[in-house]
Amino acid sequence: EAGVTQFPSHSVIEKGQTVTLRCDPISGHDNLYWYRRVMGKEIKFLLHFVKESKQDESGMPNNRFLAERTGGTYSTLKVQPAELEDSGVYFCASSQMGPANSPLHFGNGTRLTVT
Amino acid sequence: AQSVSQHNHHVILSEAASLELGCNYSYGGTVNLFWYVQYPGQHLQLLLKYFSGDPLVKGIKGFEAEFIKSKFSFNLRKPSVQWSDTAEYFCAVPQRNTGFQKLVFGTGTRLLVSP
Repeated sequence: EAGVTQFPSHSVIEKGQTVTLRCDPISGHDNLYWYRRVMGKEIKFLLHFVKESKQDESGMPNNRFLAERTGGTYSTLKVQPAELEDSGVYFCASSQMGPANSPLHFGNGTRLTVT
Repeated sequence: AQSVSQHNHHVILSEAASLELGCNYSYGGTVNLFWYVQYPGQHLQLLLKYFSGDPLVKGIKGFEAEFIKSKFSFNLRKPSVQWSDTAEYFCAVPQRNTGFQKLVFGTGTRLLVSP
């Protein structure tokens, strides 16, 4: 099966610009998660979708970040306007509904650099 | 809030050396523990997990980890590393009362195995 795919793999933008990251989960996975790793720090939870609904967005850093999952398939994470501290690697993960211990499948991540 | 500590940020070993990476978590009670690995250019993938039962857990590629409740530890071990084990390793626990997929990660340990 195809894995979780993220696009782009790298993005370099200037402070104040807008960037949209995309995540395509594994087909049939209703759970979709966004995580972020700022340079040298731990990977941190951002939010969780169940199908098209935001189940938990407690990790979103501020209102410059907007995540959507229209139709319950792929998801986008928009940063507008980007700030220097937004630089990092953004990971997407998906899993099946069902047992709470269904494994998480991660994408390769998008490396965002804000200059 | 839960936290995970990985004390070794960078480890350099020669092939065939033994490996032990430390992981300590911050809370008691029922605990589930994970080790993830990210090989260069690849996605995060599950190495092994502990949910219950035998505290010595076997994972893929010859890795194992031991859950020691009294020490709040879940150290990762491998008796003889290979060059292909060069990667970054992350210990993780689920955020309490949120199921198994909203994870709290450690800062990661970057392992370099020289041939």
